[in-house]
Amino acid sequence: QKEVEQNSGPLSVPEGAIASLNCTYSDRGSQSFFWYRQYSGKSPELIMFIYSNGDKEDGRFTAQLNKASQYVSLLIRDSQPSDSATYLCALPGGGTSYGKLTFGQGTILTVHP
Amino acid sequence: DAGVTQSPTHLIKTRGQHVTLRCSPISGHKSVSWYQQVLGQGPQFIFQYYEKEERGRGNFPDRFSARQFPNYSSELNVNALLLGDSALYLCASSSRTFGSGANVLTFGAGSRLTVL
Repeated sequence: QKEVEQNSGPLSVPEGAIASLNCTYSDRGSQSFFWYRQYSGKSPELIMFIYSNGDKEDGRFTAQLNKASQYVSLLIRDSQPSDSATYLCALPGGGTSYGKLTFGQGTILTVHP
Repeated sequence: DAGVTQSPTHLIKTRGQHVTLRCSPISGHKSVSWYQQVLGQGPQFIFQYYEKEERGRGNFPDRFSARQFPNYSSELNVNALLLGDSALYLCASSSRTFGSGANVLTFGAGSRLTVL
C-alpha cells in the first residue's frame, strides 16, 4: 500500500515570497510524482510531474525529487494571491491500475498581499 | 475541445437511496478513473476502466460499482447511500495506453453528492 504524506498546513506566505510544499512517500519503487493544484470548490489540475532525481522547473514552479530520502517538494517563487489553493502530491498506482493515483491529504496555501 | 464532463454537478439524496453519476472523457481518451474526495482530504481512488474493462479498484464497499460504455463514457453507481458517502466525486480521463507507464490524468469538475 503506497502512502503519501504532505507537510501539515495551512501554509501562509506573503506575496512575493517562496512557498515550499513537501511530500514524503513510503514506496521506494515509486518512479514518478505529480503535483496538482485545487482551488476551493474546483477539481484538481495538474501543475507538474517529475520522474528523475533533481529539479524540474516550469515558470515560477520548481519540483524537487530526492528518491534516496523519499521526498518530493514543490517550490513556488514570487508567490501571488492567485496561488492560494490546496496543493496535492500524488503518485501513480502502477501495475494494472495505471489510472490510479494515491494522493496526499493536501496542503492549503494562502498567499496574502 | 471539451474537457472531461460530469453530470449532475450537484445532487441531494437521502440515506438508502441509489445514485448514478456520469462522465464523458476527453475525446480520444480510453481510460476513465473515479475518485471520491471528502472535504479536507485528498481524492481517493475508486475505480479505473480501460476499453470497457475494470483495471483497478480501490478500497470501497460493493455498494460502489461502475461501468464503461463503447463510447468510453462511464457511470458510477452507489447503492444504499450512507451519510458518509457525501463527497465530491471526480472523474478523470487519460490518453495513456495500458502498460505505458506513468499516466497524466485530467479531472472533470466533479459531482457533489450530499446524503441527508
